[in-house]
Amino acid sequence: QQQVKQSPQSLIVQKGGISIINCAYENTAFDYFPWYQQFPGKGPALLIAIRPDVSEKKEGRFTISFNKSAKQFSLHIMDSQPGDSATYFCAAHTSGTYKYIFGTGTRLKVLA
Amino acid sequence: NAGVTQTPKFQVLKTGQSMTLQCAQDMNHNSMYWYRQDPGMGLRLIYYSASEGTTDKGEVPNGYNVSRLNKREFSLRLESAAPSQTSVYFCASSGAPYIAPLSGNTIYFGEGSWLTVV
Repeated sequence: QQQVKQSPQSLIVQKGGISIINCAYENTAFDYFPWYQQFPGKGPALLIAIRPDVSEKKEGRFTISFNKSAKQFSLHIMDSQPGDSATYFCAAHTSGTYKYIFGTGTRLKVLA
Repeated sequence: NAGVTQTPKFQVLKTGQSMTLQCAQDMNHNSMYWYRQDPGMGLRLIYYSASEGTTDKGEVPNGYNVSRLNKREFSLRLESAAPSQTSVYFCASSGAPYIAPLSGNTIYFGEGSWLTVV
């Protein structure tokens, strides 16, 4: 019940295309869903986050879509660029607790 | 603004040796964490410290010990390293959990420590 299932494991997209990464969870106590971006040799860095009271959040080319009834959320990267090539992690967290549950990561490669 | 700083960046150990990974944060965060990252496994929590003076086991604590030295520093010790502990280790910190997201609960990571046990 504490897991966050992330797919796909890897993704190859042409420059200018849309990258979509999906995550699913079971625990309805989660109330904060961040996405982290990790470049090789670096630590994960917060990219964008959402709370379940909204269905979508957009920041530039990055959008989180949230489906509370299906317990799923996804990251959309519009107009994908080679510089977006990185590993992306979804995560889930419950306010008032100390634990973040991370997905297993998606390695994105954007071809020039 | 350094954020979360961890040392060393790279380390090679022989089986049975001990070592300590150091971590410090300058964001006045209450909570600190140690994760390990392995291919296909994502980020797994080893230990965390909710606040100064407290530590708790995470998902994969066996073979590790931690010390929350003060509010800024949280160290991870391998007492007798094993090849299974070859991994990338990340220290992280976050504000108090009762602070409402989206800003106060953000978890910030260090740049990682690459550990190889031979």
